[in-house]
Amino acid sequence: DAKTTQPPSMDCAEGRAANLPCNHSTISGNEYVYWYRQIHSQGPQYIIHGLKNNETNEMASLIITEDRKSSTLILPHATLRDTAVYYCIVRVVGNKLVFGAGTILRVKS
Amino acid sequence: DTAVSQTPKYLVTQMGNDKSIKCEQNLGHDTMYWYKQDSKKFLKIMFSYNNKELIINETVPNRFSPKSPDKAHLNLHINSLELGDSAVYFCASSLGTGSASSYEQYFGPGTRLTVT
Repeated sequence: DAKTTQPPSMDCAEGRAANLPCNHSTISGNEYVYWYRQIHSQGPQYIIHGLKNNETNEMASLIITEDRKSSTLILPHATLRDTAVYYCIVRVVGNKLVFGAGTILRVKS
Repeated sequence: DTAVSQTPKYLVTQMGNDKSIKCEQNLGHDTMYWYKQDSKKFLKIMFSYNNKELIINETVPNRFSPKSPDKAHLNLHINSLELGDSAVYFCASSLGTGSASSYEQYFGPGTRLTVT
């Protein structure tokens, strides 16, 4: 079973920041937070991961709370192509990915 | 070049048939995976191979048999197909060793299997 809780859906205006929350209150000290997304009819795509510190790459930023019980994925300037299902996953490095239901993000013009 | 490729993209077959789905990765990764995404869109891992050795084998009917001829290929053979096998099957790969980054998984485009 997935160890994360995400809202089922969110809307975002094109060009605005999309902030996707994830709760993982039972996360263990050696578990990382990973984010993937799945655009319609495609395979999932890795976005970012983190352990304790905030992380940023060319796609997104990941903000992890100090107690690590929740995190937020930020897409700084959402475009229509960012419409997808976003999955927040916690796991120990090397263990299997367990996908939950994810959040359907709809970016609207 | 496609990093993780699968063939075929679509597969329509009748109950009771045997079929195979092929997967190839050109990323030089050591670990490969098969996932199943059912009609409710839940994505579940089925198998994982590391350097041609099976390391994850979830509760999957033994009609499903993965085969890894080399570390760049992981094929999925399904015997006696059933209606419930209809789904999208995704192959993935990861570097598999070392840091957390090495476990990022790269997914193929999927194979949509329809059993009639």
